[in-house]
Amino acid sequence: GESVGLHLPTLSVQEGDNSIINCAYSNSASDYFIWYKQESGKGPQFIIDIRSNMDKRQGQRVTVLLNKTVKHLSLQIAATQPGDSAVYFCAENSGGSNYKLTFGKGTLLTVNP
Amino acid sequence: DSGVTQTPKHLITATGQRVTLRCSPRSGDLSVYWYQQSLDQGLQFLIQYYNGEERAKGNILERFSAQQFPDLHSELNLSSLELGDSALYFCASSGPGSVEQFFGPGTRLTVL
Repeated sequence: GESVGLHLPTLSVQEGDNSIINCAYSNSASDYFIWYKQESGKGPQFIIDIRSNMDKRQGQRVTVLLNKTVKHLSLQIAATQPGDSAVYFCAENSGGSNYKLTFGKGTLLTVNP
Repeated sequence: DSGVTQTPKHLITATGQRVTLRCSPRSGDLSVYWYQQSLDQGLQFLIQYYNGEERAKGNILERFSAQQFPDLHSELNLSSLELGDSALYFCASSGPGSVEQFFGPGTRLTVL
């Protein structure tokens, strides 16, 4: 069945370091992927997305890489800051034009000052 | 602030009861999504409405139902509540043709 999983449930980094959060997905038909950030007590917040016809997309301090061969997605955060501490979810659109998102269980990123 | 509002913020009730969660999407968004987030299941898609009509269904129990009204706000009804229904319930909305979903702050439901 459809599933989106994360390799690392927790990640602890030093402020200023780069962070890499990984995600595996199983539905090869998924055409769109999103990374969300969820801070404590808040709803998920969109970070960056990528379509399946791309292998890399950059935003402000974040980069998403997509490797369709091994069904792997990663989120890179440059110069990680304490405000980046949160749970990060990857999500895949497996519903076509219905935009049905399947979320992974999340990775907790902790940034140490 | 995503522009999506949800009420109430917290809800405490007993097993067997029925509750209604309310969501107002961002201005102009036609799609509303409901999600359940629990510690052991993560963020689970429940149901999607588009302009008043059901568009997609996920892992939604038969005891749960939802609707989207002409003013585009949505309600999620949970009945015959069980302890396991305790969770955070999120509503999200998206604009026409957009995949990006904007999430509300959630309703924390506690079933005692």
